[in-house]
Amino acid sequence: KNQVEQSPQSLIILEGKNCTLQCNYTVSPFSNLRWYKQDTGRGPVSLTIMTFSENTKSNGRYTATLDADTKQSSLHITASQLSDSASYICVVSATSGNTGKLIFGQGTTLQVKP
Amino acid sequence: NAGVTQTPKFQVLKTGQSMTLQCAQDMNHEYMSWYRQDPGMGLRLIHYSVGAGITDQGEVPNGYNVSRSTTEDFPLRLLSAAPSQTSVYFCASRPLGLAITNEQFFGPGTRLTVL
Repeated sequence: KNQVEQSPQSLIILEGKNCTLQCNYTVSPFSNLRWYKQDTGRGPVSLTIMTFSENTKSNGRYTATLDADTKQSSLHITASQLSDSASYICVVSATSGNTGKLIFGQGTTLQVKP
Repeated sequence: NAGVTQTPKFQVLKTGQSMTLQCAQDMNHEYMSWYRQDPGMGLRLIHYSVGAGITDQGEVPNGYNVSRSTTEDFPLRLLSAAPSQTSVYFCASRPLGLAITNEQFFGPGTRLTVL
């Protein structure tokens, strides 16, 4: 069964600190993995996409990693800011023609405190 | 570009009532979809469309209908609302083309409560 599991479920950190969010998946055949940020009361917005051949990718203070062998991804946030408070959703795409299939994780809720 | 817009933002219904959630996009995307988001669960696909006149069921289609008469609009209809349909609903769109690598753009969501 295709599944995406995220941990931790929620996280509280102090402003300026770093944190790492985890995503484990059992999706076959794997196409790519996206991390989305969802602010409270808003729709998800893509942060980065990881394809099979990519190990690490940065987008400002966000760095995503992918280990296709162990089927794990992480999202590392450096020098956190209050605006990083949001839910972070890991989404894995299974290759299946033109429409494919997206499997969503349940999200990690991050709260950054001053 | 306004991107993906949804109306209304909030709605309260009584059990058995029907209503339509509106979704529109101005990016000329072929693919549009509806998701529901419930606490502790990932987004679940309700219905999707790959172009005008073409719709298909997703993971949780029961109790919902869709139509796609234009590229821009993709309304979601609740036929007879039930408390189990209390949720936040998101509409999303993306181009086909390279398909599965294409980023989905989400609307701001509609928070629906069924009493």
